[in-house]
Order: sequence, then C-alpha cells, then structure tokens
Amino acid sequence: EADIYQTPRYLVIGTGKKITLECSQTMGHDKMYWYQQDPGMELHLIHYSYGVNSTEKGDLSSESTVSRIRTEHFPLTLESARPSHTSQYLCASSKRDRRGSPLHFGNGTRLTVT
Amino acid sequence: TQLLEQSPQFLSIQEGENLTVYCNSSSVFSSLQWYRQEPGEGPVLLVTVVTGGEVKKLKRLTFQFGDARKDSSLHITAAQPGDTGLYLCAGEPIGSYIPTFGRGTSLIVHP
Repeated sequence: EADIYQTPRYLVIGTGKKITLECSQTMGHDKMYWYQQDPGMELHLIHYSYGVNSTEKGDLSSESTVSRIRTEHFPLTLESARPSHTSQYLCASSKRDRRGSPLHFGNGTRLTVT
Repeated sequence: TQLLEQSPQFLSIQEGENLTVYCNSSSVFSSLQWYRQEPGEGPVLLVTVVTGGEVKKLKRLTFQFGDARKDSSLHITAAQPGDTGLYLCAGEPIGSYIPTFGRGTSLIVHP
C-alpha cells in the first residue's frame, strides 16, 4: 500500500519540452526529497525540502526546480528537457527526527527524452 | 568521495549460498538503514539500526551496526532467488540532516 505517489510512471517526451513530475505523500512528513537514479545504480540527491516554503539543491547539479507550497506535494519541473535528463526520478519523504528517520519512496518516474 | 562505501558492488551466487554485504564509513552515523530495491520500483526499507553493536534479524537476513557506529553489515543465509535486488545502505552522519546513500550492492541469486 503506497503512501507516496508519483505520476506519471513513465514519460517519453521530445527535447525542449517543459515537464513536471508529480509527487504526493499522505503521511504528513515534513521532509521530502528528489533523487535521480540510472538503472541499478546509485541514488543522486537533486533537491530536498524540510517543510513548506523550504527547498534546497542536493549534491547533483540539476537543471530542474522544485516547489513546496503544501506539505503533501513536492513537484519537480524541467523547463526544457534534454536527452541527458533521461533517467529514473524517485521521490521520498521522511519524518523530521533527530535519530534519522527512514525514507519512504515512491515507485518513480522513468523519463525518456528523445 | 563516497561517504558510505558498499562492497561488493556486484554479487552473483547460487540459491542456498550465504553472503555478506558491507557498508563502511569514516564518519559516525546516528543510525543506518538498509533498503532493497527491485527493478522499476523505489527502494523499500528493510531495517534501521540505531545502537552501536546492535544486531537485528529479519528471517534469513541479519543486520549488524558497528560498535563505533561507522559501519554496518548485512548477512543473508541460504539465499533465494527472491532475494535478488539492489541493496542500499543509507544514513545521516552526525551533524547532518541529509541522508546519504551508498552506491548499492546488486545481488543476483540463481535458482
């Protein structure tokens, strides 16, 4: 039973198009994250948020932007898609906890830019 | 520089064999998590270890957190094809509130 939802599941789009990947969670978690992952490879943090109106860039340089207007919603936008953006994008959330709360992941959006 | 080093990176074994995956760091972590990820899906939490020296068991999986809270291991006894997947360790180093992930161990268990 998923408590964090990502849409679309798959997306094939042409170069130059603007796209928004949606992520919503119903757990009331303050912290949310976007990771980029090539198949079977490591996760790269591209954006994170501590709560409403908080957004930060992660370790991996990205041409995407995010917003956090509501606790449950953390969309990621690519203004102009390029083939180099082809990857899997994973959204995750966690509680704000000093001892390190585990992350709950969505099932990802597999993006292909042609 | 990877904060969490996982080894081995790839592992291909026969059903029934035992294996151990390692997750090492020079930094101290408040806790470490282990996740398993199957193709086309997001990682799923297996366990969180919090106390130095802690050992947790999940059926055939045994997780250990090092005494100094800098390393962890995952041991699988009598591996089965259903154990196939990418195993990731992750945690927040002391002083950071951003989780960091290891590169993962890709495990294939052949019937």
